Amino acid sequence: KAGVTQTPRYLIKTRGQQVTLSCSPISGHRSVSWYQQTPGQGLQFLFEYFSETQRNKGNFPGRFSGRQFSNSRSEMNVSTLELGDSALYLCASSLEAVYGYTFGSGTRLTVV
Amino acid sequence: EDQVTQSPEALRLQEGESSSLNCSYTVSGLRGLFWYRQDPGKGPEFLFTLYSAGEEKEKERLKATLTKKESFLHITAPKPEDSATYLCAVRRGSGGSNYKLTFGKGTLLTVNP
Repeated sequence: KAGVTQTPRYLIKTRGQQVTLSCSPISGHRSVSWYQQTPGQGLQFLFEYFSETQRNKGNFPGRFSGRQFSNSRSEMNVSTLELGDSALYLCASSLEAVYGYTFGSGTRLTVV
Repeated sequence: EDQVTQSPEALRLQEGESSSLNCSYTVSGLRGLFWYRQDPGKGPEFLFTLYSAGEEKEKERLKATLTKKESFLHITAPKPEDSATYLCAVRRGSGGSNYKLTFGKGTLLTVNP
């Protein structure tokens, strides 16, 4: 059974650019969540999608956005990148939130 | 606001030396407390979900317990391969934001041979 797949694994971007990260959930999972992980703040919730609808959004600026497609694949976009956006971005999928979440290996974003 | 505090921040054990990690939480209507293990450069790996006070779950050398205000992850006779960061997270059951996990900062466990 394939796990959660995130692409790309590593990215280096320049301040002011934008970036799109991709997540393919486990087959059959309709809930997809995104988290940002930094050494100082730990894992922080970005947003959660279920059947193409955003159900929750964390306390991040509007530069952070996401979407989910009809096949449950999800993308997140960060516009006007700042140095502080450097982090490991993790995607997690779930059959339903109550059953817990399976995480991907993440995308390591470095903003220079 | 939901809060999760893990202690200690770091723990160094000798192989075979049992210990416990603590996770204290404040959440409105707990709908699940989750334990994850994370190795460097990888995503968190699911270990356990606990739903109600008094519940216990075991997996190999790990045992997780839950009370109304905290959870413990007991590690019995640890091996070097148990070295990792252990993360605790909670999901609320009422109000808004009940589809997100709130994580603690984690406990970095090092087991020396």
